[in-house]
Amino acid sequence: DIVMTQSPDSLAVSLGERATINCKSSQSVVYSSNNKNYLAWYQQKPGQPPKLLIYWASTRESGVPDRFSGSGSGTDFTLTISSLQAEDVAVYYCQQYYGSPPEFIFGPGTKVDIK
Amino acid sequence: QVQLQESGPGLVKPSGTLSLTCAVSGDSISSNNWWNWVRQPPGKGLEWIGEIYHSGSTNYKPSLKSRVTISVDRSKNEFSLKLSSLTAADTAVYYCVREAEAGSYFDYWGQGTLVTVSS
Repeated sequence: DIVMTQSPDSLAVSLGERATINCKSSQSVVYSSNNKNYLAWYQQKPGQPPKLLIYWASTRESGVPDRFSGSGSGTDFTLTISSLQAEDVAVYYCQQYYGSPPEFIFGPGTKVDIK
Repeated sequence: QVQLQESGPGLVKPSGTLSLTCAVSGDSISSNNWWNWVRQPPGKGLEWIGEIYHSGSTNYKPSLKSRVTISVDRSKNEFSLKLSSLTAADTAVYYCVREAEAGSYFDYWGQGTLVTVSS
């Protein structure tokens, strides 16, 4: 079975400082037919559904602030919040798509708080 | 603006069947998208359940496949989830979700509905 891990489980960052979240898959997420990394990032605030931030590992969804960026390839990925704002307090999930057979797998989540 | 709205009973009995419906507005269920269900137990992470295309083609999480049925009603622009043989472990917020046309990620989510399995 494919396993997604995230690190750290939680982190506290001062306002304006950088937050970095790592996501690792037990299997490559590169889709051979188009060489895209099928890895997405979501933000979930309490009582709300998840919100898409990043897809294909590094493409920012429309309307998402540019302080959010994604990087990585293959099995190792990173979500970076360049300058943490108060409204960024949330749990962040990575998600992989595996195509054969089709299946979506989420990481366990990383909680981000203000220090 | 695409909107998804879940509806269904909030309390179901153990060994029973959960039935939820997702009404889609702002998009056609017959568009080039897959329509999904994702759940989240209280205080825990996200779990994909399965998906359906307007043609009726489905894909399910392997560990849930024996208990899950997802169907689509194009005339009502909605899709549905049935999950049988319920236990307390199925207590969760259930989200209906649209997969982006390009595939591989979810771009629109419903607000979610809490389903509690309890006698």
